[in-house]
Amino acid sequence: DTTVKQNPRYKLARVGKPVNLICSQTMNHDTMYWYQKKPNQAPKLLLFYYDKILNREADTFEKFQSSRPNNSFCSLYIGSAGLEYSAMYLCASSREEGNYAEQFFGPGTRLTVL
Amino acid sequence: GDSVTQTEGQVTVSESKSLIINCTYSATSIAYPNLFWYVRYPGEGLQLLLKVITAGQKGSSRGFEATYNKETTSFHLQKASVQESDSAVYYCALSGMLSGSFNKLTFGAGTRLAVCP
Repeated sequence: DTTVKQNPRYKLARVGKPVNLICSQTMNHDTMYWYQKKPNQAPKLLLFYYDKILNREADTFEKFQSSRPNNSFCSLYIGSAGLEYSAMYLCASSREEGNYAEQFFGPGTRLTVL
Repeated sequence: GDSVTQTEGQVTVSESKSLIINCTYSATSIAYPNLFWYVRYPGEGLQLLLKVITAGQKGSSRGFEATYNKETTSFHLQKASVQESDSAVYYCALSGMLSGSFNKLTFGAGTRLAVCP
């Protein structure tokens, strides 16, 4: 099974409220990633977990939190949603093989903040 | 920083015609980036279409081809004869394995391909 699952597929949130998105994979991949995708823009890496180590991009450092309680699950947490967080959130996972690591993507969660 | 440019946001092609989707890259932090094309079909997640990790090499999959050209920093996607089922959004991407950019994918904005019957 090479699928990455994301829940929910669609999320409606109010401004100022928290949001928690879930991703899971059963491929025993050591790395899990979260990307943000806005219309007509490139998917943008927010953060990734390599095993238990969290790496966050510098420009999103304070906006997103994440946890990885075990190898299979990874969450993306927004403490207080703003309108600018409306986007598609893509989860991916990979295992290093040689000098590259293919990333497998989930279908995404579309977040709308009102 | 690193960047990927896809000049066309949308391309419309008639079935059985040829296709080229342009991709150029700038890899300032990676000496030898790996290059990828990902595709997103309607209702599905991004999936890898093809990859090339060595400059000068060509990758191919499902009738699509792309050549890693280090001189022109390009990785254009081509197909000789498109089908309606190729309608999707195509993303060019690069990654490197240096510390600090480990497994990080930098994407282009994507090109939506519409194939008309």
